[in-house]
Amino acid sequence: DTGVSQNPRHKITKRGQNVTFRCDPISEHNRLYWYRQTLGQGPEFLTYFQNEAQLEKSRLLSDRFSAERPKGSFSTLEIQRTEQGDSAMYLCASNPPASGGAGDTQYFGPGTRLTVL
Amino acid sequence: GENVEQHPSTLSVQEGDSAVIKCTYSDSASNYFPWYKQELGKGPQLIIDIRSNVGEKKDQRIAVTLNKTAKHFSLHITETQPEDSAVYFCAATPWGGGSYIPTFGRGTSLIVHP
Repeated sequence: DTGVSQNPRHKITKRGQNVTFRCDPISEHNRLYWYRQTLGQGPEFLTYFQNEAQLEKSRLLSDRFSAERPKGSFSTLEIQRTEQGDSAMYLCASNPPASGGAGDTQYFGPGTRLTVL
Repeated sequence: GENVEQHPSTLSVQEGDSAVIKCTYSDSASNYFPWYKQELGKGPQLIIDIRSNVGEKKDQRIAVTLNKTAKHFSLHITETQPEDSAVYFCAATPWGGGSYIPTFGRGTSLIVHP
C-alpha cells in the first residue's frame, strides 16, 4: 500500500503525559500537513511542511505542540503535558509537488485517535 | 481567512434517490474545491474535486457544480446506495504560496436507507 500511513492508530493517555504520533506520507510527496478533527467538525489545519521546512503553523498549535520532519520524509507530532481538550483525531495528509497541475490534491492518512483521560 | 459553510448537517434518503450537499465560501481567491468522504474510524478520502476554471465535473454517479460568482458549490450523488452512507466534507483552497491549505466545512452525515 503506497498511501499515507499513521501510527499509532489509537492512543490513550493520562492528562499531563507526553505523546508522539508519526506520519509517513506518500513517497515523493514533498508537502505534508497535520490536522486535528473533533467530533462533528471538519479537519482543522495545524501545520504544514514543504520538505523538511515547517512553513506555516496555525494559531491552534499551542506551544505544547511541536512537529518535525527532519529528513523531509516522515513527520512526527508531539503533544506535551496533554490536556483533556487535546482529545481528537489527528490527521496527516500529503500533496505531490506543485508542478504538474495536481499539486493541490491532498491525500489523507487514517488518523490517530487520541483520548486524554 | 476563508470561511466555508456546509448544509445540511444530516441528510437521510432512500436507496436510489439523489442526494445534494451545498457549500458556500467567502474568499474569492479560493480556486480548488475538493470533496471528501469519511467513513467511521477512517481518514477523509477524496471522491471528486473541481477547479475554478470549470463549472461542472462528473464521475459516474457523482457530480460537482461550481458557481464562482455566487461563491457556492454543490455535490450531487445520484442513485444512492447504502455504501454511500458516510460523512461528506467540502473544502475550499486558496491559491498562492504553494501551501494549498484547505478550509473544510463541518460535514454532512449522509444516511442511505435500503
